[in-house]
Amino acid sequence: DGGITQSPKYLFRKEGQNVTLSCEQNLNHDAMYWYRQDPGQGLRLIYYSQIVNDFQKGDIAEGYSVSREKKESFPLTVTSAQKNPTAFYLCASSIAGGTGELFFGEGSRLTVL
Amino acid sequence: QKEVEQNSGPLSVPEGAIASLNCTYSDRGSQSFFWYRQYSGKSPELIMSIYSNGDKEDGRFTAQLNKASQYVSLLIRDSQPSDSATYLCAVDRGSTLGRLYFGRGTQLTVWP
Repeated sequence: DGGITQSPKYLFRKEGQNVTLSCEQNLNHDAMYWYRQDPGQGLRLIYYSQIVNDFQKGDIAEGYSVSREKKESFPLTVTSAQKNPTAFYLCASSIAGGTGELFFGEGSRLTVL
Repeated sequence: QKEVEQNSGPLSVPEGAIASLNCTYSDRGSQSFFWYRQYSGKSPELIMSIYSNGDKEDGRFTAQLNKASQYVSLLIRDSQPSDSATYLCAVDRGSTLGRLYFGRGTQLTVWP
């Protein structure tokens, strides 16, 4: 079945550590996205990528980094520079240049201890 | 002014009633409008998309778009307890291709 797989679902991190969240899709979508969601908040865009080897900053990119070396994969690194990283992270994909309909993975919940 | 605004609620309706969720947006160039449903602790799932003025119906759901008023709404008829969730409005922006802007969501509770 086609879909988006995020891992890990739950992650605990000590302050000062970098962590990488995985996102893999087999929907053959060109565009991929990372969102952050805090309790009672909507989705805020961290980074997005329309094609391989290219990505753009979203609204809250500081303290995060991404890569897009393969069409299927769009990992997100939460660096120690991110001051408040505890959140629910959502990866999504869509057909590039299409209507904007996003398909989401199940999310990764990061807790900083 | 935020890109997309929704009443945060919570909105509470009895089973069988019509739930009405509202959303306004700031960019007159927006062309694509979406409603996502998000259950607690889960990821959003797309339930409706609408691109032209008027109504679009899908089962118990009706999306309404009024571009002149920059307003989009979602009606849920015959509401069920299983409809209890947070509903997110998402809008594109004509000047920024390839991304959506989300409202904060409206929490809906349908009580039996």
